[in-house]
Order: sequence, then structure tokens, then C-alpha cells
Amino acid sequence: SQQGEEDPQALSIQEGENATMNCSYKTSINNLQWYRQNSGRGLVHLILIRSNEREKHSGRLRVTLDTSKKSSSLLITASRAADTASYFCATDARGGGADGLTFGKGTHLIIQP
Amino acid sequence: KAGVIQTPRYLIKTRGQQVTLSCSPISGHRSVSWYQQTPGQGLQFLFEYFSETQRNKGNFPGRFSGRQFSNSRSEMNVSTLELGDSALYLCASSLLRGAGNTIYFGEGSWLTVV
Repeated sequence: SQQGEEDPQALSIQEGENATMNCSYKTSINNLQWYRQNSGRGLVHLILIRSNEREKHSGRLRVTLDTSKKSSSLLITASRAADTASYFCATDARGGGADGLTFGKGTHLIIQP
Repeated sequence: KAGVIQTPRYLIKTRGQQVTLSCSPISGHRSVSWYQQTPGQGLQFLFEYFSETQRNKGNFPGRFSGRQFSNSRSEMNVSTLELGDSALYLCASSLLRGAGNTIYFGEGSWLTVV
């Protein structure tokens, strides 16, 4: 089942601009992870944020988590052509990982040179 | 260290056949899980193995099975292949089970059923 829903489904911006993607989920979670997937390739882990954290940074990435709204956002600053990819959020549900990670449908990000 | 290694990367099978996919987790990782990715259903959890035991299973028919060996390497098998089984199959590993463990994915095995 798809718990996470990314928004927007597709995003096209100019190189150098910031890109923001949002993720909403339905149940209580232990943590939330963001992944990047280049076309036809595997998933690359970007960042993990725990349910008791509100914000986390990694290089040009900034992730926020609002458990009261059951939502997260991924900000990529100073975007580059190489950032063109699909981005997925994945949740690890509280109460046991009976369903493994639950992924959203992803945001397809296109960086125009 | 090397990442999650999946073999084969690409394969084509005929309806009714069976297929076995292999996954070598990151060295030292003991938890291995499998996911199916299709355009229609997205990424869906298949099953998770830890210490050679299946710990969790997703909502897939019994034609999908797997196992884990003592060296943590894992295989998944799909029997009586159907056209709808065409997908990217992703293997993931983590050091331990449970919340807070970063999960790393391989490049996947592309299966086409004709």
C-alpha cells in the first residue's frame, strides 16, 4: 500500500534554483527516509530523519518533518543538472515494520540547464 | 566498501517459467529486504530476511518466495511467471532490523516477462 504521497508529481526548474518536494503520510512513523532514483537505476539513500527530529541537513539537502501534520519536505538548494531524478519518501511505520518501508509515488524533478 | 550487489541486472523470461534473483548485501549487513517497482503500483515491499529467517512479508502471492543464507546473501524466486511480474526488483540491506536503520538499495534486476 502507498502511504506516502509526494507533491508535486513532477517539477521542472532552472539550474541554480531551489527545488522543494513534499511528502505526506497516513500513520504514525518511526522515521522517514528520502531516496533518489535516476532513470532505470536503483535507489540512492539521501537522508533519514527520525520522528523526534524536526529538521536535518546534508550538504545541499534540507529535510523537515512535521509529525503533527504527517508531512515532510525535501529542499535541494542550488540545483544542478545532475539532480534530475525521481525522489521518493519512505516511511517506517511505528508498531513494527510488517510492511517494510512504504514508499510514495515520487516526484520527478527535471533541472533545466 | 561495496554496495548492495544484485544479479542479473537484466533478464527476459517467458510466461510460466520461473526466475531466481540474487542479492549480496553490504558487508556486515544482516537484514535483507526485497521490493518490486512497477509504473502502475510503484514500489512495493515483498519480504524481509534476517538471520536466515523471513521476518515480514508483503501482500504478494505465494509464487514469490525468498531465502537468506548464512552469509546474509539472499535470493528471491518467482514461479509460474505472469506478464504482470515484469518489473524492477530491488534488494535492500541494513545493518540491523528495526526503526532508525538506514536502508541501502542495489541497482535492481530488470525482469521482463514475455
